[in-house]
Amino acid sequence: GDSVTQMEGPVTLSEEAFLTINCTYTATGYPSLFWYVQYPGEGLQLLLKATKADDKGSNKGFEATYRKETTSFHLEKGSVQVSDSAVYFCALSDEASGGSYIPTFGRGTSLIVHP
Amino acid sequence: GAVVSQHPSRVICKSGTSVKIECRSLDFQATTMFWYRQFPKQSLMLMATSNEGSKATYEQGVEKDKFLINHASLTLSTLTVTSAHPEDSSFYICSARDVQGSPEAFFGQGTRLTVV
Repeated sequence: GDSVTQMEGPVTLSEEAFLTINCTYTATGYPSLFWYVQYPGEGLQLLLKATKADDKGSNKGFEATYRKETTSFHLEKGSVQVSDSAVYFCALSDEASGGSYIPTFGRGTSLIVHP
Repeated sequence: GAVVSQHPSRVICKSGTSVKIECRSLDFQATTMFWYRQFPKQSLMLMATSNEGSKATYEQGVEKDKFLINHASLTLSTLTVTSAHPEDSSFYICSARDVQGSPEAFFGQGTRLTVV
């Protein structure tokens, strides 16, 4: 079945540091890939997405590129802020897995940014 | 963008009572809605998938009679926790997919349930 593996956290950085959160996936079909962000006590918000190979999703300074050859979708940001502190989830949805696009999530990576 | 509204955001109830959580898609029609449970510092656990007008599909290990899901319209799904116990205390999150078929799911704000 489909699966998503992302690096374990917490990731602790100083403000303005470079961020990378690794994400790799396995899928039976040709999935769409997503990064979601969850702030404390809230639901998940879609951060960015990519629907085909070599697509780059970007939003709020975050970027991720759909790499089919390495089955990866790593999240990057050049300069993090304290307000970026949250839990980040990598996810995929794959129509091949039953046609219902049930999202498959990674375990989440907690990011803590210090001033 | 698509908005999913979940209500209530917090609820405290006594053991043995039932609690209903609503999930509404405000500006799109949702053929499919998902209900998740999230324990502290853990990932999302999919509880069930509901399609409008049909019975929900529950994941293995989730009690159908305890977690009643109704998806009566294209904009509303409800999760009722029946005869709640302290171990049911958790963060419950719903998400919905647009009937137009876009692959991303949009999430509600979550409901913090505390059973005392």
